Amino acid sequence: GESVGLHLPTLSVQEGDNSIINCAYSNSASDYFIWYKQESGKGPQFIIDIRSNMDKRQGQRVTVLLNKTVKHLSLQIAATQPGDSAVYYCAEKRGSKLTFGKGITLSVRP
Amino acid sequence: NAGVTQTPKFRILKIGQSMTLQCAQDMNHNYMYWYRQDPGMGLKLIYYSVGAGITDKGEVPNGYNVSRSTTEDFPLRLELAAPSQTSVYFCASSYEQKNTEAFFGQGTRLTVV
Repeated sequence: GESVGLHLPTLSVQEGDNSIINCAYSNSASDYFIWYKQESGKGPQFIIDIRSNMDKRQGQRVTVLLNKTVKHLSLQIAATQPGDSAVYYCAEKRGSKLTFGKGITLSVRP
Repeated sequence: NAGVTQTPKFRILKIGQSMTLQCAQDMNHNYMYWYRQDPGMGLKLIYYSVGAGITDKGEVPNGYNVSRSTTEDFPLRLELAAPSQTSVYFCASSYEQKNTEAFFGQGTRLTVV
């Protein structure tokens, strides 16, 4: 079927390397910033979130950084694996409203 | 739990026809969302609901209608299908305002010809 990542920016990394996926956001009033992962043919899946009053949050093999000064959000994936290949979306939640950015395709080279 | 269930998985509509995309969740979530996903454009919020009887417009509500008569169901209605509504539609749900983890269905691929 058609790839959901078609025409999206692509980040290509070597298996085992660290990946950094970046996102610029526009709404300074968002309460939370969130990263989702979407594999081909599936719905997006939650990875990690960060509250707007925090700078950094770590999960299992992932770290999210928030720079409110320049309205920048990043997702760092340690020791990237083939299973990390997917489209990654940054999302914002303000109250009950959850909105998504355009997405970035992560391609992992063996 | 089945999670979020969307039906149908695929549908082809003729211009001007109407249809309802079904979405049901069995997690007792208050919040439900409808998105459309177009290649290279990411996910756009169509409508959302914070509970039964309450719905709000998202980023791209034109051409769509929703209702939320029960906590479990959040159908999306297309009254007069247009080619611009060709897309993949995703329904999602989450528990409450402070919960950022939304659970998505498998999507409905709609083609309008």
